[in-house]
Amino acid sequence: AQRVTQPEKLLSVFKGAPVELKCNYSYSGSPELFWYVQYSRQRLQLLLRHISRESIKGFTADLNKGETSFHLKKPFAQEEDSAMYYCALSPFGNEKLTFGTGTRLTIIP
Amino acid sequence: SQTIHQWPATLVQPVGSPLSLECTVEGTSNPNLYWYRQAAGRGLQLLFYSVGIGQISSEVPQNLSASRPQDRQFILSSKKLLLSDSGFYLCAWSKRENTGELFFGEGSRLTVL
Repeated sequence: AQRVTQPEKLLSVFKGAPVELKCNYSYSGSPELFWYVQYSRQRLQLLLRHISRESIKGFTADLNKGETSFHLKKPFAQEEDSAMYYCALSPFGNEKLTFGTGTRLTIIP
Repeated sequence: SQTIHQWPATLVQPVGSPLSLECTVEGTSNPNLYWYRQAAGRGLQLLFYSVGIGQISSEVPQNLSASRPQDRQFILSSKKLLLSDSGFYLCAWSKRENTGELFFGEGSRLTVL
């Protein structure tokens, strides 16, 4: 069975400071990892996926298979980054997506 | 473009009453469809998913059931609601080729009294 752990329920960061949202997973096979974001009064939406190796809105995430982690990082936080962030995993080629419990990020002006 | 509609947005029901939440997708065909429950501190829990008409996979034992009578319609039901069924329910769809990107509806807030 797959499992996604986000140890921080709440995270507050000053504007301009670096941000790191932690995500650890357990899965015996080859996983696909994702970060989803929900801004205030908006729908939950995909932020980025590890397979794309892309930077979205300044955020990046590297899959570390040794540490089974997929932390989300941004060097300089902006106020508009305040949102709920969910890490998610699916087995490779499988349609089932398992989400973590989420981290609410608040950027302090 | 593709859209997903979910209704009703809010619902207050007495214990023991039936439930029907509906979700429809437009602008695509043969989508994968999902029902999630979002609870504070518990994240998003996958309840059901479907890869085709009449094909439903249940992820957790519960008082709820799902049906897919048409390609782009997904219904969440219960014959008799329990207090513990209260929560925020999200419908989502993904493309058949499954890139891992789910497109979510706006959600339905269910309160069972």
